[in-house]
Amino acid sequence: GAVVSQHPSRVICKSGTSVKIECRSLDFQATTMFWYRQFPKQSLMLMATSNEGSKATYEQGVEKDKFLINHASLTLSTLTVTSAHPEDSSFYICSASRDLGTEAFFGQGTRLTVV
Amino acid sequence: QKEVEQDPGPLSVPEGAIVSLNCTYSNSAFQYFMWYRQYSRKGPELLMYTYSSGNKEDGRFTAQVDKSSKYISLFIRDSQPSDSATYLCAFTTGGGNKLTFGTGTQLKVEL
Repeated sequence: GAVVSQHPSRVICKSGTSVKIECRSLDFQATTMFWYRQFPKQSLMLMATSNEGSKATYEQGVEKDKFLINHASLTLSTLTVTSAHPEDSSFYICSASRDLGTEAFFGQGTRLTVV
Repeated sequence: QKEVEQDPGPLSVPEGAIVSLNCTYSNSAFQYFMWYRQYSRKGPELLMYTYSSGNKEDGRFTAQVDKSSKYISLFIRDSQPSDSATYLCAFTTGGGNKLTFGTGTQLKVEL
């Protein structure tokens, strides 16, 4: 199958600290990974496109200095929420596609709570 | 006009019913069409993937695409309580490109 693993599934952090979320494609290589944010009872909002070996492409309105994305290898992308604030509390989900495939497979999601 | 329109529901049906979920879209560049199922507090799970007009069947699920009308549907036969989830339609223009999602339809299948 095409498995995408996301870690941690849940994290609580103090306001002002940074949190790193990992997204791994376990059985395939992913040139491109996507990071989404989802508020309760709302659809997924694309935050950025993560490209292996190059800078991420951020959607309009997403602060690149606050949401740092690193795509260090063909199987790993990380999202770091820097200087987290309570309004950053949300459900963050990554997805990956095989090579340049059109089917996107999602991680389990990470519920971030900033207190 | 929104790029994708999807009725958010909630939609409540009795067990065994046939469920019809629909999305309309306005972007003619969309060439690939997907349906995802999302349980509460989980990531979306790919259910169906199509790239041409017509029907595609997989078990109890049938995906239908009408490119001329810019309309896609997902039918669930013999619905089960375990089908209770949010169903998201998704579109993309091509490989490696971002997905555009509908708002999701919340489905509840009752005993």
